[in-house]
Amino acid sequence: DSGVTQTPKHLITATGQRVTLRCSPRSGDLSVYWYQQSLDQGLQFLIQYYNGEERAKGNILERFSAQQFPDLHSELNLSSLELGDSALYFCASSVDPSGAETQYFGPGTRLLVL
Amino acid sequence: DAKTTQPPSMDCAEGRAANLPCNHSTISGNEYVYWYRQIHSQGPQYIIHGLKNNETNEMASLIITEDRKSSTLILPHATLRDTAVYYCIVRVEIGNNDMRFGAGTRLTVKP
Repeated sequence: DSGVTQTPKHLITATGQRVTLRCSPRSGDLSVYWYQQSLDQGLQFLIQYYNGEERAKGNILERFSAQQFPDLHSELNLSSLELGDSALYFCASSVDPSGAETQYFGPGTRLLVL
Repeated sequence: DAKTTQPPSMDCAEGRAANLPCNHSTISGNEYVYWYRQIHSQGPQYIIHGLKNNETNEMASLIITEDRKSSTLILPHATLRDTAVYYCIVRVEIGNNDMRFGAGTRLTVKP
């Protein structure tokens, strides 16, 4: 158990819909990262937040957005969903964004868009 | 970015050492080598990391060549539960936690 929690575990929705994925980092960790893992793309970094502010952006679509709240939990919002958005979405956390800090991953949310 | 090259798959007998190689010939002086693994569809699990010295922890050992162009992750006594995809990652730059996961090596430990 990494100490990172994600909800829900599974999500099934239809194309065009909007969903919100939630992540609670390990106690004391200020940084939260979101990753997408699909069958054909592997594990891809989407976005990072540090202490409430966006820190780094990866391959995140404009239809996707994220935020980190004062209690440090984070939400990833996916809108206008397409079939290709079906994937595992992982959240990770670390103590801070500098240096060689280790990222600890949550169990993931499996999203299926029908 | 420094990129990594790993064999797509490897087999190992249970109880034997598993040696997973990684090439990172364009690594920069301030970039670390990280190893993570992913068991089935679980979240990736941190294993070990190093800069230039060899490192050992309760899970594995990391051997980095003197020129830092390659490294080897060693699982000293592989068990069936070590069957997973192992990712070798070079941190893009200090201060940027965008970790680039490649395809990794699928290690299968056989009884």
